[in-house]
Amino acid sequence: EAGVVQSPRYKIIEKKQPVAFWCNPISGHNTLYWYRQNLGQGPELLIRYENEEAVDDSQLPKDRFSAERLKGVDSTLKIQPAELGDSAVYLCASSLDVLGTEITDTQYFGPGTRLTVL
Amino acid sequence: AQSVAQPEDQVNVAEGNPLTVKCTYSVSGNPYLFWYVQYPNRGLQFLLKYITGDNLVKGSYGFEAEFNKSQTSFHLKKPSALVSDSALYFCAVSRHSNYQLIWGAGTKLIIKP
Repeated sequence: EAGVVQSPRYKIIEKKQPVAFWCNPISGHNTLYWYRQNLGQGPELLIRYENEEAVDDSQLPKDRFSAERLKGVDSTLKIQPAELGDSAVYLCASSLDVLGTEITDTQYFGPGTRLTVL
Repeated sequence: AQSVAQPEDQVNVAEGNPLTVKCTYSVSGNPYLFWYVQYPNRGLQFLLKYITGDNLVKGSYGFEAEFNKSQTSFHLKKPSALVSDSALYFCAVSRHSNYQLIWGAGTKLIIKP
């Protein structure tokens, strides 16, 4: 079974440029997460989707970050414009949850996209 | 407030020796406890979890962890370390019926030949 797929694996951009990350979760997983991980730290949740609905985006810096999961499968996270402080690894994770019951299962992570903003 | 502590930034173990990576937590209600491992330039890989039941949980790659409710700990262990176990290990906790994972800062495990 394929795991969580992310692309690109690495991205280097100039500040103020836009950037987008793509994630394809494990087949059948209804919940998708985007995290940001700074060097030497644990992941920080940015947004969580249940199917196509963003059910928690409280940590997403909405002035420059946006995300979508239009068909409830793959997802895109965008930053526009990027700032120096956005340099980090962006991780996507998915899980198979029993929606509506608050029962959650293990989150499985993709390899991440390492973003460097110059 | 929920929190996770990994008191050691780095753990050094000789190959073949037993290893322990410590994790303590603070959470209201029943905890869900997880261990993940991260190799360089790789995502987080799930190792094991405790939800309920037997306090000793066995996971991938020969790792196990023991849930101790009185000490609010969930230490990761392996009887005999391999050089290939060298990586960054993260402990995470969530409350029962809450998806939000609270992460520890990570412990770098170095296994020396």
